[in-house]
Amino acid sequence: AQKITQTQPGMFVQEKEAVTLDCTYDTSDQSYGLFWYKQPSSGEMIFLIYQGSYDEQNATEGRYSLNFQKARKSANLVISASQLGDSAMYFCAMREGLAGNQFYFGTGTSLTVIP
Amino acid sequence: DVKVTQSSRYLVKRTGEKVFLECVQDMDHENMFWYRQDPGLGLRLIYFSYDVKMKEKGDIPEGYSVSREKKERFSLILESASTNQTSMYLCASSYWLGGNEQFFGPGTRLTVL
Repeated sequence: AQKITQTQPGMFVQEKEAVTLDCTYDTSDQSYGLFWYKQPSSGEMIFLIYQGSYDEQNATEGRYSLNFQKARKSANLVISASQLGDSAMYFCAMREGLAGNQFYFGTGTSLTVIP
Repeated sequence: DVKVTQSSRYLVKRTGEKVFLECVQDMDHENMFWYRQDPGLGLRLIYFSYDVKMKEKGDIPEGYSVSREKKERFSLILESASTNQTSMYLCASSYWLGGNEQFFGPGTRLTVL
């Protein structure tokens, strides 16, 4: 079974609108971490936001927020007030355990922001 | 700022050649990783290392080997390059403790002819 599932290969959003990128995960560990990365066309992976499994509040970083629903095993990324520079690939990832060495990545969602 | 550097941004090699991809990090991270990225497949882990001289196979280790002689350097070796190893290769590093993100290098786009 896939550890991380991203079901949206491509998404479009109007500039200044909000967009949600979906991510579901599969783990039997109680301790785990969830990450979102952005990969612009230049290729470099940029860390956006982190959510720990014991965190009760949803993580937020500027225009990025993580909608964490533990019972549903989902960790959706919400980007508010989309900008043209948000056009990129977005990857959801999970790290299992307190000191897990392996990260699991989804297949990514390509986001295009339309002016 | 954490910096992860990779020896080449673009590389073109011939089938059967031995290929070395080098990765260096400057933040004293214990963990280092090699991924390959292909369209529609996301990032797939080739190998990772949690300490000097220690290595663990990832999901797709066949055709690859690695070397970590110093903490800051992690090398990926293609013993005999094949065309199906044409891909983007990403190196990353992280602290061993959970809750810490991976930091990525700029990637090496390898083409095997």
